[in-house]
Amino acid sequence: KQEVTQIPAALSVPEGENLVLNCSFTDSAIYNLQWFRQDPGKGLTSLLLIQSSQREQTSGRLNASLDKSSGRSTLYIAASQPGDSATYLCAVRTSGTYKYIFGTGTRLKVLA
Amino acid sequence: GAVVSQHPSRVICKSGTSVKIECRSLDFQATTMFWYRQFPKKSLMLMATSNEGSKATYEQGVEKDKFLINHASLTLSTLTVTSAHPEDSSFYICSATDFTGTSGKSTDTQYFGPGTRLTVL
Repeated sequence: KQEVTQIPAALSVPEGENLVLNCSFTDSAIYNLQWFRQDPGKGLTSLLLIQSSQREQTSGRLNASLDKSSGRSTLYIAASQPGDSATYLCAVRTSGTYKYIFGTGTRLKVLA
Repeated sequence: GAVVSQHPSRVICKSGTSVKIECRSLDFQATTMFWYRQFPKKSLMLMATSNEGSKATYEQGVEKDKFLINHASLTLSTLTVTSAHPEDSSFYICSATDFTGTSGKSTDTQYFGPGTRLTVL
């Protein structure tokens, strides 16, 4: 059974810092992995999707890496801004299924 | 990106009543829709998967008679919480995917709705 864990659960940083959010999963037989952003009381916004054959994906100040063998993915946010404050969720789609298993989330607060 | 809407965005009801939540894909045909539930400060838990024109597949522990799911068209799925009780209060989020790829959308991406906040008094 796939389990997804995110560390840290919460993070508070001053504006401008580079930061790393971690996601680990127990079953390395994944199809792909997505990182999402969720603002309070809102739905999800997809940030990056990494296929199982890829090692990383980049979008603007965001970079996500994937290491299937170790069951880990990281989301790197460069030069953080107050507008980056949100909860970040990673979700794993295991091979042979359509559904995603979500991690526990990291609540990020970037202080101005 | 694709757009998925949910209606209502927020609903308050009395215990014992039934509540229907709609999930619509606005610019693509969603062959498959997923319903998630999110408790406060918790992650999303998949409740059920619904494919257009067939019965929904429920995750273990989810009462199918309590959470009725209908996916009668390629753009609409509904979740009905029957005889709602305070413990059903939660944030319900749907997502939609076109696994056939005929809509021109990525078959790998789930497009999420904005969520519905249900409060049962």
